[in-house]
Amino acid sequence: GESVGLHLPTLSVQEGDNSIINCAYSNSASDYFIWYKQESGKGPQFIIDIRSNMDKRQGQRVTVLLNKTVKHLSLQIAATQPGDSAVYFCAASVGTYKYIFGTGTRLKVLA
Amino acid sequence: NAGVTQTPKFQVLKTGQSMTLQCAQDMNHEYMSWYRQDPGMGLRLIHYSVGAGITDQGEVPNGYNVSRSTTEDFPLRLLSAAPSQTSVYFCASTSGGSVTEAFFGQGTRLTVV
Repeated sequence: GESVGLHLPTLSVQEGDNSIINCAYSNSASDYFIWYKQESGKGPQFIIDIRSNMDKRQGQRVTVLLNKTVKHLSLQIAATQPGDSAVYFCAASVGTYKYIFGTGTRLKVLA
Repeated sequence: NAGVTQTPKFQVLKTGQSMTLQCAQDMNHEYMSWYRQDPGMGLRLIHYSVGAGITDQGEVPNGYNVSRSTTEDFPLRLLSAAPSQTSVYFCASTSGGSVTEAFFGQGTRLTVV
């Protein structure tokens, strides 16, 4: 079946360094990909999305890269800050408004 | 600007009891959905609605009912609670102008004993 998986359950980075969180998906027909941030005890928060006809999209301190050849998605966070500590997960579309979600990578920012 | 509001935040039920999880949004979004989040698993879609009076099943609909009588409200009903329904439930809404930017509520942590 369709799946979305993240490569690492936990990622620790030093404050000020760049963070890279990776995600793999299985459905080559997925048209949209989304990254979410979820802080402890809160609901997921939309960070950035990318459509399948794009390779790269940038937001504020974040960049998403899409490699459709190997079905790989990554989220890069520049100059990681303590407030970036959270669980990050990706989602791939499997229909209009329907997504398969990954399990999440916990990002720990070390002072 | 409340966004998506879920109530209650926490609930403990006994097996066999029924209850309704409330979800309300004030952004006039057409699309609303319910997910459950379990340890070690990604969010899974339970039911969704593309507008008032229209609902459909998601990936894990068994044991749950929904209705959408207004644009603002999308309650989730547990018919006869089972321990397997112990989970964190999230409601989300999305504007018709975006198929990706979903706004999530704070979640309801449900324990069925």
